[in-house]
Amino acid sequence: VLTQSPGTLSLSPGERATLSCWVSQPDPNNHLAWYQQKPGQAPRLLIYGASHRAPGIPDRFSGRGSGTDFTLTISRLEPEDFAIYYCQRDGGAFGPGTKVEI
Amino acid sequence: EVQLAESGGDLVQPGGSLRLSCAASGFTFSDYWMTWVRQSPGKGLEWVANINQDGSTKPYADSVKGRFTISRDNAENSLSLQMNSLRAEDTGLYYCARSGYPGAFEMWGQGTMVTVS
Repeated sequence: VLTQSPGTLSLSPGERATLSCWVSQPDPNNHLAWYQQKPGQAPRLLIYGASHRAPGIPDRFSGRGSGTDFTLTISRLEPEDFAIYYCQRDGGAFGPGTKVEI
Repeated sequence: EVQLAESGGDLVQPGGSLRLSCAASGFTFSDYWMTWVRQSPGKGLEWVANINQDGSTKPYADSVKGRFTISRDNAENSLSLQMNSLRAEDTGLYYCARSGYPGAFEMWGQGTMVTVS
């Protein structure tokens, strides 16, 4: 089971966003991924292995954590960052998502 | 061009069957784990099943275990999902995706819609 908080994050462009993901069953390999999804689009991989940015992902996106607690941080929100963010454990279950809205 | 293209989505009655396909192009398909992920209208992402490079390992979500079968044809660069005993709650957009990193999927198709009603 994966839990994400908050369910919705209301922020303004330029602000910092901190999203949390809690995993009930730790993965010893720390295979925790973060995805961004916008309406009408397929998910986009942002972070893999808890902290590694996927190619082409801006460095304002960063991930950290291990064991059961993980965090995705967007250092300064750009207008295109307003979307839903999901965490995923080891290529399996997804969290319920966090909506980042203006 | 590197891409994944799903097909086979349709309107089907409860209890019916459907087979989805995903055509891969532009990369060496047999090198990658693949996955099916679905999304009910207005809802979040739900992992369905994975398959390893040679098809010998196929984990499934509990919600589809025993009803869905994932398979692949590396010679045809094709991924499939056979869905039996379909239920209303199986309705959604079904994506196939490629695992370019351990435990993560970095290339996605645009999805094919399945409606069980």
